[in-house]
Amino acid sequence: AQKVTQAQTEISVVEKEDVTLDCVYETRDTTYYLFWYKQPPSGELVFLIRRNSFDEQNEISGRYSWNFQKSTSSFNFTITASQVVDSAVYFCALSDFSGGYNKLIFGAGTRLAVHP
Amino acid sequence: DTEVTQTPKHLVMGMTNKKSLKCEQHMGHRAMYWYKQKAKKPPELMFVYSYEKLSINESVPSRFSPECPNSSLLNLHLHALQPEDSALYLCASSHEGGTEAFFGQGTRLTVV
Repeated sequence: AQKVTQAQTEISVVEKEDVTLDCVYETRDTTYYLFWYKQPPSGELVFLIRRNSFDEQNEISGRYSWNFQKSTSSFNFTITASQVVDSAVYFCALSDFSGGYNKLIFGAGTRLAVHP
Repeated sequence: DTEVTQTPKHLVMGMTNKKSLKCEQHMGHRAMYWYKQKAKKPPELMFVYSYEKLSINESVPSRFSPECPNSSLLNLHLHALQPEDSALYLCASSHEGGTEAFFGQGTRLTVV
C-alpha cells in the first residue's frame, strides 16, 4: 500500500533558524517518484522538487536542501536560515506504478511558522 | 509559463444550484486533475484526465461531473451539493505520470 507520513504537524521557529521537515513513505514498487510542495495561505500548491527512486543524490537549491534515503524510506527537507516568507504548509507526496503514476498520495502536511 | 488558471476563485452556492468550476492550462500538459482539499487536510484526488479521457475516478459522488472539452480545459460541474462538499477545489496539470504537477490557486467553494 502507498502511504506518506509527515509526523510533524506544526513547527515554529525564529527567523534564521534551520528547520528540517520529515517525510517517510511506503510503497511496494521499485519505481516511484517523491515530491515536495509548498502551500502558502493563498492556497496554491507550489512545486518544489521531484525525485525518482533511482536517484539518491541529495539536492540543494539555495536555502533548500533535500535528503533522500531509500534505506530508511525517507525524503527529508531542510530550510537553512529560515525566513518569514517560508511560513506555509509543506506537503510531501508520492506517486508510484500501482497508482499509475498520475495519482499523488500526499502526507498530512507540516505547518511551518517562522517568526521574526 | 507554468500557470494553471482556475475560475472562479470563490463560489457560494445553494444545495439546489448548478454551477461549474473551470480550469485552463497552456503548458501542453496531457494530464489534468481535480483535487478536493478540506481545511487542515491534504489534497485528495478526485479525477484524472489523460489525453482528454477520464482515466481515474476516485469513487466521487455523481453530483460532481468532470468534463475535458479539449487538452487545455477542464471543467467540474456541480449539482445538488451538500454543505460537507464545501472545500478548496484544486486543478492541476502535468506531462504524463511521474512528472511534477502544477496547481492552480483553487476555487474556495461554500455550499449553503
